[in-house]
Amino acid sequence: DIQMTQSPSTLSASVGDRVTITCRASQSITDWLAWYQLKPGKAPKLLIYKASSLETGVPSRFSGSGSGTEFTLTISSLQPDDFATYYCHHYKSYPYSFGQGTKLEIK
Amino acid sequence: EVQLVESGGGLVKPGGSLRLSCAASGFTFSSSSMTWVRQAPGKGLEWLSCISSTSTYIYYADSVRGRFSISRDNAKNSVYLQLNSLRAEDTGVYYCARDREGAVAAYWGQGTLVTVSS
Repeated sequence: DIQMTQSPSTLSASVGDRVTITCRASQSITDWLAWYQLKPGKAPKLLIYKASSLETGVPSRFSGSGSGTEFTLTISSLQPDDFATYYCHHYKSYPYSFGQGTKLEIK
Repeated sequence: EVQLVESGGGLVKPGGSLRLSCAASGFTFSSSSMTWVRQAPGKGLEWLSCISSTSTYIYYADSVRGRFSISRDNAKNSVYLQLNSLRAEDTGVYYCARDREGAVAAYWGQGTLVTVSS
């Protein structure tokens, strides 16, 4: 099974900051990786799919990169609405799995 | 607009069973693979199971294989998750999600809470 390791687990940042979250796969997943945003009481939201494709309607300050085993989610200029928990998710082969999550907090 | 509405959650004793339902609308359900994901209290997301559009292909996480069963009824635009032999660690919010070409779990419901406790 493919394991996903996400870092950091918590990230403190301010509005306007550029932040990067990293996700590592235990073996190559080529570009079969998605990023989700989760807020309490809300349905999870797909942000990025196929490692770098921006989901329709997601602000362009979000971007994804990487391939193989190393991936990043970058938010270029944090907005108040971006403080949430973010998860990477591989869909290369079954069973699929998520990273442990990164909680983005206001500094 | 894609809508997914989960139901069937509740309080159940260890060893008990529940059947979760997910009603879909706003897209061609019979052409979409569907996924179930859960989140235990204070924990991260956990992928559980998925089913192809015609039920030909079904997959489970190791943690639930043999206890949970996914199914669908394309005539009713619904996907189901049968939860058997429930344990305290199965407590959490269960989400259904619609897959899309190139992207899994592209659209999610609001979730239904399952609590396993005596």
